[in-house]
Amino acid sequence: EIVLTQSPGTLSLSPGERATLSCRASQSVSSSYLAWYQQKPGQAPRLLIYGASTRATGIPDRFSGSGSGTDFTLTISRLEPEDFAVYHCQQYGSSPPLFTFGPGTKVDIK
Amino acid sequence: QVQVQESGPGLVKPSETLSLTCTVSGYSISSGYYWGWIRQPPGKGLEWIGSIYHSGSTYYNPSLKSRVAISVDTSSNQFSLNLSSVAAADTAVYYCARSPNWGLTHKYYFDYWGQGTLVTVSS
Repeated sequence: EIVLTQSPGTLSLSPGERATLSCRASQSVSSSYLAWYQQKPGQAPRLLIYGASTRATGIPDRFSGSGSGTDFTLTISRLEPEDFAVYHCQQYGSSPPLFTFGPGTKVDIK
Repeated sequence: QVQVQESGPGLVKPSETLSLTCTVSGYSISSGYYWGWIRQPPGKGLEWIGSIYHSGSTYYNPSLKSRVAISVDTSSNQFSLNLSSVAAADTAVYYCARSPNWGLTHKYYFDYWGQGTLVTVSS
C-alpha cells in the first residue's frame, strides 16, 4: 500500500502570500492518480485538483498542482481569506483499487 | 445539480452493525459513476471505506473488507453502508461521495460529497 506524507503539518501565512504544500508518496504514483482537496471546519472536502495538475470545475486559477513520481505540490499563488483550511492529497492504487489520503496540511492565518 | 446526503443513527453500540444510507438527487445512480463511502475520525485524516457501481460491483479497503458491505438500490437512487462489529475506533464522520468510473475515464477522485454524518460508537 502506498503511503502519502504531507508537509508541513501546519503552514502559517498571511493573506496575499504564496502557499506551497507538499505531498510525498512512498512509491511512484501515476500523475493521473493524484488529487487535492480543501476542507474547512465542519464541511466536507472539496475537490480542487485532479490528475496532479487539472483544476476541478469552478476552482480559481490561484490554485495549481504540479509534480510527478513521488513528489507532488499544491500551490496557492496569493492566499485569500477563504483559503485558510486543511488540504488533503489523495492517490489511487489499482491492484486492487484502493484510494488513500494524506494526513493533511493546515493553512492558518499568521 | 448533484446532491448526496447521508442518513442513519448517530449512536451505535460496540459489537453492533453501523448502517448508513446515502440518497442521491439530481443524478441517476444508474448513469455510470461509482458511489463511495469515506470516513474521518475526529481530528484525523480521511479513510476510503469502499465504492460501488450501479451494477453492484464493489471495491473495499482491504483494512475493512472483512466487516464492510456496500449495496445499491437503483429504484430509490440510494446506496448503503453496513459496517459490522464496530468498536470505538469506528467513531467518525462518515461521508458518501461520487467518483467517475475510473476504469473507463481514468479519472480518480471524488467530486460530489455529502455533508457527512457523525457516528459515535459507545455503550
